[in-house]
Amino acid sequence: QKEVEQDPGPLSVPEGAIVSLNCTYSNSAFQYFMWYRQYSRKGPELLMYTYSSGNKEDGRFTAQVDKSSKYISLFIRDSQPSDSATYLCAMGDYKLSFGAGTTVTVRA
Amino acid sequence: DADVTQTPRNRITKTGKRIMLECSQTKGHDRMYWYRQDPGLGLRLIYYSFDVKDINKGEISDGYSVSRQAQAKFSLSLESAIPNQTALYFCATQVEGDTGELFFGEGSRLTVL
Repeated sequence: QKEVEQDPGPLSVPEGAIVSLNCTYSNSAFQYFMWYRQYSRKGPELLMYTYSSGNKEDGRFTAQVDKSSKYISLFIRDSQPSDSATYLCAMGDYKLSFGAGTTVTVRA
Repeated sequence: DADVTQTPRNRITKTGKRIMLECSQTKGHDRMYWYRQDPGLGLRLIYYSFDVKDINKGEISDGYSVSRQAQAKFSLSLESAIPNQTALYFCATQVEGDTGELFFGEGSRLTVL
């Protein structure tokens, strides 16, 4: 069993929809939780960062961490075509464990 | 110019050949990493280095070696390439501390025939 599980999708939504992405993990020692966004033919870039449990909001993006369920989520409100990318969850400390990535397409 | 630069960006080679992927950075970070990305498997850590004298194996180091020539340079070598090493390879740097944020290069796509 992989340490971090993420549904690879793909996920296709119309512009303006809410995108919901999630990951589950098995290592209860994880304290830092991240979401990276990767555009085609580019390296991943940090999108959201959360320490321990709770919610974090940044504009149209909300990250949630539920350590009791070992479950993290990313929500994108009012999705735009520019949000079309692969979203990777990551967790750990200096050594990150990554999910497989979910490819999202937002249709105009 | 990119903060983390990888060369070559694309490479096609044959089984048994020696290949080196190079990474240089201008971010001034001590920590550097090599990952490979495969469809459905995400990013997996090959090697990482906390400074010039520190090299550590990641989860999939077999068949790979690295060299940290300077703070800014970290190279990945495949001594004898095999087809299942066909993948997208990423170099990344990291600020010292436990926040975990990685700064990635644009990747090197390697195809082993």
